Amino acid sequence: KNQVEQSPQSLIILEGKNCTLQCNYTVSPFSNLRWYKQDTGRGPVSLTIMTFSENTKSNGRYTATLDADTKQSSLHITASQLSDSASYICVVSAAGGFKTIFGAGTRLFVKA
Amino acid sequence: DADVTQTPRNRITKTGKRIMLECSQTKGHDRMYWYRQDPGLGLRLIYYSFDVKDINKGEISDGYSVSRQAQAKFSLSLESAIPNQTALYFCATSDFQINANTGELFFGEGSRLTVL
Repeated sequence: KNQVEQSPQSLIILEGKNCTLQCNYTVSPFSNLRWYKQDTGRGPVSLTIMTFSENTKSNGRYTATLDADTKQSSLHITASQLSDSASYICVVSAAGGFKTIFGAGTRLFVKA
Repeated sequence: DADVTQTPRNRITKTGKRIMLECSQTKGHDRMYWYRQDPGLGLRLIYYSFDVKDINKGEISDGYSVSRQAQAKFSLSLESAIPNQTALYFCATSDFQINANTGELFFGEGSRLTVL
């Protein structure tokens, strides 16, 4: 069964600290993996996309990693800011036909 | 103005009522989607359309119907709303990418529906 599991469910960190969010998937055959940021009351917005051959990709203070062998991805946030408070959603797409699976998300709270 | 606009943003209705959620986009994308978001669950696909004459069921289409009136417009209907359809609904668009199964999804702001 195609699944995307994220951990932790929620996380509280102090402003300026780093954090890492995890995503494990069983989607097969793999096409790509995206991380989305969803602010409260808004729609998700894409942060990064990773394909099979990529293992690291950065977008400002956000760095995503992908291990296609273990089917794991992480999103590392450096020097967190209050505006990083949001839900972060891992989305995995399968190849050969339209199949996109969303994780339940990690809710991040950044406190001053 | 937002690239993907949903109306209404909030709606409270009663069981058995017919509800329509509307979505319009200015991104020029052919592909449009309706998703449902519930607390603790990932977004789930209700219906999707790859062009004006194409309608496809997603994983949770029962109780819903859609209409693709034009490239830029995709509406979702609940013919007879029930309380377990209370959720946050998102419309999204994407462009076709040859080398990827799905392109980046561009979401609207969401429509919060409460069925009493």
